[in-house]
Amino acid sequence: DIQMTQSPSTLSASVGDRVTITCRASQSIRYWLAWYQQKPGKAPNLLIYKASILESGVPSRFSGSGSGTEFTLTISRLQPDDFATYYCQQYFSYSTFGGGTKVEIK
Amino acid sequence: QLQLQESGPGLVKPSETLSLTCTVSGGSISSSSYYWGWIRQPPGKGLEWIGSISYSGNTFYIPSLKSRVTISGDTSRNQFSLKLSSVTAADTAVYYCARHPAKRGEPAGTVDYWGQGTLVIVSS
Repeated sequence: DIQMTQSPSTLSASVGDRVTITCRASQSIRYWLAWYQQKPGKAPNLLIYKASILESGVPSRFSGSGSGTEFTLTISRLQPDDFATYYCQQYFSYSTFGGGTKVEIK
Repeated sequence: QLQLQESGPGLVKPSETLSLTCTVSGGSISSSSYYWGWIRQPPGKGLEWIGSISYSGNTFYIPSLKSRVTISGDTSRNQFSLKLSSVTAADTAVYYCARHPAKRGEPAGTVDYWGQGTLVIVSS
């Protein structure tokens, strides 16, 4: 099974900050990686797929990069609506999610 | 507008079978453009993909659950279902049904639509 490791598990930041979350795969997944945002009590929302393609309707302050085993999600200027938990997901072999990164208010 | 709605018992006894159904409205599970799947999330924890079914009925399951999981589709009712046998407390989770876009030449793993989720508690 492919394991996905996200870091950090918690991130404290302020509105306007640039935020970066990292996701590492236990083996190469090429670019078959997605990022989701989840708010309490809600289903996740797809932000990025194929490592760097922005899902329709997602603000351009979100961006993704990486290939192989290391990937990043960047929020260029954190907005109040962005405080949430973020998950990466590999879909190269079946599917596995990372453990999540909670972005909280500093 | 596509909608997915999970239904089924919210309480299941240990060793019994968990059964959930996802009713799809605003779209067809027979569409070749999508797979349909199940994902769960234990309270306070992360997401776990369980498995999916293609428009042609092929199924794919996470290896760790494969011996206990069955996903099936009912095109006449536009529904798909999850059965998880021999449940334990570790299977307590919010269960989401999901739509996976299926693009030619690409794995069908991302989720573009989710159900609202249903909490299933395993307890005697």
